[in-house]
Amino acid sequence: SQQGEEDPQALSIQEGENATMNCSYKTSINNLQWYRQNSGRGLVHLILIRSNEREKHSGRLRVTLDTSKKSSSLLITASRAADTASYFCAATTSYGKLTFGQGTILTVHP
Amino acid sequence: DTEVTQTPKHLVMGMTNKKSLKCEQHMGHRAMYWYKQKAKKPPELMFVYSYEKLSINESVPSRFSPECPNSSLLNLHLHALQPEDSALYLCASSQVPGQGLYQPQHFGDGTRLSIL
Repeated sequence: SQQGEEDPQALSIQEGENATMNCSYKTSINNLQWYRQNSGRGLVHLILIRSNEREKHSGRLRVTLDTSKKSSSLLITASRAADTASYFCAATTSYGKLTFGQGTILTVHP
Repeated sequence: DTEVTQTPKHLVMGMTNKKSLKCEQHMGHRAMYWYKQKAKKPPELMFVYSYEKLSINESVPSRFSPECPNSSLLNLHLHALQPEDSALYLCASSQVPGQGLYQPQHFGDGTRLSIL
């Protein structure tokens, strides 16, 4: 079974707005990663947050991790039409094995 | 362009055919992965190779046979597949995880497989 559950399943916003996606997981993790997948393409790594970190930034991305609640969130600020994609969280549990969440489909309207 | 190259991009095969999917990377990564992804679903791990040796098999049916002939190449041999095996097959590579350091995985664009 999949480790992560993501919320919302789909998100539709206007360009310039912020997009927030949430992820919950069930077991202990070494780190949590976020990936983006454009339609018909492979996954692209966005950001990794280790289990001893609480917040991390990369450009317009902000990730938080709450290990007590077993949850993480991804915030994309000032969204662009090019951010339209599916976003997956992935928990790393053992030997680098990734278990993906169900994903959030983000649509950013110009 | 991705740094992990998968061929072919599309493959249609009958249930009695034998075919192979290929994956190549030149980033010096010594861990390579096969995932299966159904439409609107997340990728599911199938196999992991570390230093050219199979380290994880996620109870994949024997009609899927992986092979890692060298540190840059990963193959997935297919034989007697079922219609439910139709999916996007993704290859990924990374530095070998170790000492609690887990590196991001780099994905190819996948092979879209259709079983008739």
